[in-house]
Amino acid sequence: DAGVIQSPRHEVTEMGQEVTLRCKPISGHDYLFWYRQTMMRGLELLIYFNNNVPIDDSGMPEDRFSAKMPNASFSTLKIQPSEPRDSAVYFCASSPTVNTEAFFGQGTRLTVV
Amino acid sequence: AQKVTQAQTEISVVEKEDVTLDCVYETRDTTYYLFWYKQPPSGELVFLIRRNSFDEQNEISGRYSWNFQKSTSSFNFTITASQVVDSAVYFCALSDTGRRALTFGSGTRLQVQP
Repeated sequence: DAGVIQSPRHEVTEMGQEVTLRCKPISGHDYLFWYRQTMMRGLELLIYFNNNVPIDDSGMPEDRFSAKMPNASFSTLKIQPSEPRDSAVYFCASSPTVNTEAFFGQGTRLTVV
Repeated sequence: AQKVTQAQTEISVVEKEDVTLDCVYETRDTTYYLFWYKQPPSGELVFLIRRNSFDEQNEISGRYSWNFQKSTSSFNFTITASQVVDSAVYFCALSDTGRRALTFGSGTRLQVQP
């Protein structure tokens, strides 16, 4: 398996634009997680899905952020409109069951100017 | 509520020294899981180990060892005979029945000088 695949690897966008981050989890994994990493806040969970259903979205910063998982092999994290404070590395991860190790993608480095 | 504390922000050692990275956790659950991840300069997060709360046996894997002590709520990580390739940020993480996703500590940056 190729592991968790995220795209794009880097994204530079202007404030106010819509940004969509994409993730393909490892096949057969029932859990998908979106994390954000910043210097100030470290690694923080944004949302996670179980069998394509959102379970905990308490980490989503505000209504500008939304996440979907239309099927078992694809998820998106959308920011609309983007702001400079959204600049961070966004990681997607998947795991086969709950409370097991999560396997992380390479991350998407987002810069909002 | 869950919490993971890594009090050491940055550690610098010389190659071949032993180094211990500290991790202290908080949880109300009796069933929980502890993890260590490595983030090398390239940026990916690499899984190292997972322990459950019912297994306090220490574990050794090559130059790596982990000391789990429930009495002090600690899960420390030791690298023996450190190498330059060990230079990375190391994260301790916790999940439990209340929150089934990983809660990460703030990380410890390890620099191993040649």
